[in-house]
Amino acid sequence: AQTVTQSQPEMSVQEAETVTLSCTYDTSESDYYLFWYKQPPSRQMILVIRQEAYKQQNATENRFSVNFQKAAKSFSLKISDSQLGDAAMYFCAYRRGASGAGSYQLTFGKGTKLSVIP
Amino acid sequence: EAGVVQSPRYKIIEKKQPVAFWCNPISGHNTLYWYRQNLGQGPELLIRYENEEAVDDSQLPKDRFSAERLKGVDSTLKIQPAELGDSAVYLCASSLGFRGPDTQYFGPGTRLTVL
Repeated sequence: AQTVTQSQPEMSVQEAETVTLSCTYDTSESDYYLFWYKQPPSRQMILVIRQEAYKQQNATENRFSVNFQKAAKSFSLKISDSQLGDAAMYFCAYRRGASGAGSYQLTFGKGTKLSVIP
Repeated sequence: EAGVVQSPRYKIIEKKQPVAFWCNPISGHNTLYWYRQNLGQGPELLIRYENEEAVDDSQLPKDRFSAERLKGVDSTLKIQPAELGDSAVYLCASSLGFRGPDTQYFGPGTRLTVL
């Protein structure tokens, strides 16, 4: 079974600084997708960024970028120029790419609570 | 475009009472998911629908939980009777259902408290 591990329960960053959230995963699949979701206190889970395993290039979305290390099964999220609105729970999630039972299921980590200090 | 809509946002009930949650997915999204998120944890899938068909309900506690998605649009998740351990946030998500990344979009959730 796939597992997703987020080893940092809480992180903090100064406003305008950069922070990196860690995520590792365990899978025997070669085709899969990885996601970072943000969940503010209002609870609406919002997609931040996604990465296809077959792509070597790291995904980037404005101030958010990932460091995808397939061999190490590592998928970290870097937030640059942190803003107060970035404060939230961040969840790393995995989804296998092959068809069949469970292929659409997202497996989430336990999350990292990010605080942004003004 | 409207996002995934869920109601109610909050529900407090006593144990052994029934409760129901409603979800309206994003228009055009064929696949609908119900997740349960316990405090301090990531969401865990309960059931997945493709149109009207429940194609993955292996993690749904079928003795007390039921779900339906009539006409392949709105969905209702029911618990009867509720137990103390059912206190959690129930999230609904939807996606297009195509191959590939098929990003899931989440609703705001229903926070259930069972007393």
